[in-house]
Amino acid sequence: LAKTTQPISMDSYEGQEVNITCSHNNIATNDYITWYQQFPSQGPRFIIQGYKTKVTNEVASLFIPADRKSSTLSLPRVSLSDTAVYYCLGGNGGSQGNLIFGKGTKLSVKP
Amino acid sequence: NAGVMQNPRHLVRRRGQEARLRCSPMKGHSHVYWYRQLPEEGLKFMVYLQKENIIDESGMPKERFSAEFPKEGPSILRIQQVVRGDSAAYFCASSKGLPPNNEQFFGPGTRLTVL
Repeated sequence: LAKTTQPISMDSYEGQEVNITCSHNNIATNDYITWYQQFPSQGPRFIIQGYKTKVTNEVASLFIPADRKSSTLSLPRVSLSDTAVYYCLGGNGGSQGNLIFGKGTKLSVKP
Repeated sequence: NAGVMQNPRHLVRRRGQEARLRCSPMKGHSHVYWYRQLPEEGLKFMVYLQKENIIDESGMPKERFSAEFPKEGPSILRIQQVVRGDSAAYFCASSKGLPPNNEQFFGPGTRLTVL
């Protein structure tokens, strides 16, 4: 399973676009990149998943360059309610299916 | 369709007592995972179960901890003779199948406090 590295914290203001980059230098060929969001006192919530290039859904976009050694989660026009911890996970779950969480990036959105 | 349910949400135990944490997966989900989270840390995998079977318990301490997912009823994470270091948030997740094509849905967690 790929080890991931991401910034410990980020600050932003309402209405801005936020990009959180995650590095995963030893990602394997069959690994996917998955992002989860966690609010205080709640369980993590799936945001987006991708393998390569760009994936977009109603919440975010995920950019993965050709070498797949990093990925960027893009949150358009953040609001105060986007304040949370964002986790980048690399892996395919294998036969076990367990997810490997790092410490995540604590995003603080200010008015 | 109700999400993953966990109870109790908060549990207080004294050292040496037993803690039982329950998890009801989403309807149609047969895969259950338990994770533990310490303050300011990410979640740590503990155990992965399918109905009546433990598939992977590599993240679970060998002593005092056990998990089950019976044919009928919720999954149970049991901690015997709790110690202060067991104080944490315990999250359960469920999925229809194995990632990456089967997203894990997390419950709200059980916050265990050991006095």
